[in-house]
Formats: sequence, C-alpha cells, structure tokens
Amino acid sequence: EIVLTQSPGTLSLSPGERATLSCRASQSVSSSYLAWYQQKPGQALRLLIYGASRRATGIPDRFSGSGSGTDFTLTISRLEPEDFAVYYCQQYGSSPRVTFGPGAKVDFK
Amino acid sequence: QVQLEESGGGLVKPGGSLRLSCAASGFTFSDYYMSWIRQAPGKGLEWIAFTSSTGSTIYYADSVKGRFTISRDNAKNSLHLQMNSLRAEDTAVYYCARDPGMVAAPYYFDYWGQGTLVTVSS
Repeated sequence: EIVLTQSPGTLSLSPGERATLSCRASQSVSSSYLAWYQQKPGQALRLLIYGASRRATGIPDRFSGSGSGTDFTLTISRLEPEDFAVYYCQQYGSSPRVTFGPGAKVDFK
Repeated sequence: QVQLEESGGGLVKPGGSLRLSCAASGFTFSDYYMSWIRQAPGKGLEWIAFTSSTGSTIYYADSVKGRFTISRDNAKNSLHLQMNSLRAEDTAVYYCARDPGMVAAPYYFDYWGQGTLVTVSS
C-alpha cells in the first residue's frame, strides 16, 4: 500500500498569501495519478486537482498542482477567505488500493 | 447539477448491521463507477468499497472485506452499502462518491455527498 504523508500539518497564513502544501508518497505514484481535495465543515468534499496538475471543473486558477514520482505539491497562489480549509491528497496509481494523505489544514494566522 | 445524498446512518451496537443508501441525481447514474469512502471522527479519509457501472466489478478495502457489501440499483439511481458485524472502529461519516474513471477500479472522485454518520457503540 502506498502511504501518503502531507506537510505541514497546519499552515497559518493570511488572505492574499501563497500556500504551498506538500504530499509525499512512500513509493512512486504511477502515471502521476494523484488528486487533491478540499474539505470544509458541513460541506461535501470538493475535487480540486487530478492527474497531479489538472484542475477540476470550476476550480479557480489560483489552485495549481505539480509534481511526479513521490513528491507532489498543491499551491494556492493568493489565499481567498473561502480557501481556509483542510486539504487531502489521494493516490490512485495503485488502484484498487487507493489511499489518502492525513490532511493538511490551512488556517488564519 | 450533480447531487449525491446519503442516508441510513445512526447508532448501532457492536455486531449489529446497518444499510446505507446514496441517492444520485443530475447525471446518468448508470454510466459511472461509484465508491464509498469513510472518515472516522477527527481522522482522515479511507476508501472502502467500489462498484463498476453495472456492478460486475467490485472491490473492498481489507478493513471491511467479508463484512460490508456494496450494491447499486441503476433503475433507481441508488447506491447501497450493507454493513454487517459492525465494530467500534467502523464509527465514521460515510460518503458516497462518483468516480469518473475509465477502467473498472477506483480512481479519483469528482463528486461527493455530505455523508451520513454511523456510530457503533454499546
């Protein structure tokens, strides 16, 4: 099973700042099959990025994904108030054994 | 728009059973693979079950294999999860999610429901 580690666990920032979240895999994720999700209390999870760098439908371009192999990054170029949330990475390269990272919280400084 | 709505959660004793349902709307349900994913209180996400569009291919996480059964009714646009022999560690919010994958195996999930809480406690 591929284990995903996310860092930092919590990122304290202000609106307008840049957020960089890391997701590291215990072994190479084939075909860059990595997705990112946003979770906010009381709301359905939202797909942000799939295929490591492809934005999902309706996702603003301030969200970008990059990386390959074992190291992946989600970047939010300028934080909006609605971006303060928990973010999860997920690998599907070893399907059916898909796995999620433990999550990373972006909160207000 | 795509909507997924889970139901059927509640409090159940260890060893008991529960059946979750997910009502789908806003898309052609029979065209899509579907999965159940859960999240224990204060914890991360765990994929637990997958079904292909026809139900002919099914996968389970080891943690639920032999106890949980995923099924779907394409005529009623619904997904189900029959949970038997429940344990305290099955306590979680259970989400249904749509899978846009091209091959019959879990992929990523482009739409999620808001979840239903299952609590296993005596």
